Amino acid sequence: EPEVTQTPSHQVTQMGQEVILRCVPISNHLYFYWYRQILGQKVEFLVSFYNNEISEKSEIFDDQFSVERPDGSNFTLKIRSTKLEDSAMYFCASRRNTDTQYFGPGTRLTVL
Amino acid sequence: AQSVTQLDSQVPVFEEAPVELRCNYSSSVSVYLFWYVQYPNQGLQLLLKYLSGSTLVESINGFEAEFNKSQTSFHLRKPSVHISDTAEYFCAVSDQGSGNTPLVFGKGTRLSVIA
Repeated sequence: EPEVTQTPSHQVTQMGQEVILRCVPISNHLYFYWYRQILGQKVEFLVSFYNNEISEKSEIFDDQFSVERPDGSNFTLKIRSTKLEDSAMYFCASRRNTDTQYFGPGTRLTVL
Repeated sequence: AQSVTQLDSQVPVFEEAPVELRCNYSSSVSVYLFWYVQYPNQGLQLLLKYLSGSTLVESINGFEAEFNKSQTSFHLRKPSVHISDTAEYFCAVSDQGSGNTPLVFGKGTRLSVIA
């Protein structure tokens, strides 16, 4: 069964550094999402992406964040200058044209 | 805007006992409802969903949830749990009307099944 994959599984970085989190959505899906979960808190929506552009973003998704679909398979989340409070589990999800979003296993980002 | 409340952060239960994980939501528009499960060191997996029609929905592994519009609830139940059901369970809603609507999650309930 096709699945969403994410790399790396764990990323450790220094405050102020740039990180890129990578996702490979399910191949025939059209809608792509990033969510995050700070330890002990809710899973929160960051951004959705469709037809090569951002379709919706939350208040969390400020100028430090960007998303890209550089080729036909990858979907990336970039954080330009990481802060301690960016430490979280980041989930990628994708959807075709139904209501169901399929999630990847997540990337745990630790900012020191 | 929608919100989801999962009142129980942790639920311990003995093996073969019944369990109910509670979920209440708030929304000014019609919503779709979902339960996702996260097993240790894994991603979020869809357990079941309510879109329309019958208010009782079932998963392949014995869970069921009932949509109650008047009480704005979507509680998850299983009559007899197994050790393998130990996981974190997340209730989520999305706006029916928006084409690319994000999910709004509750804080999750950690189900621990005790042998």
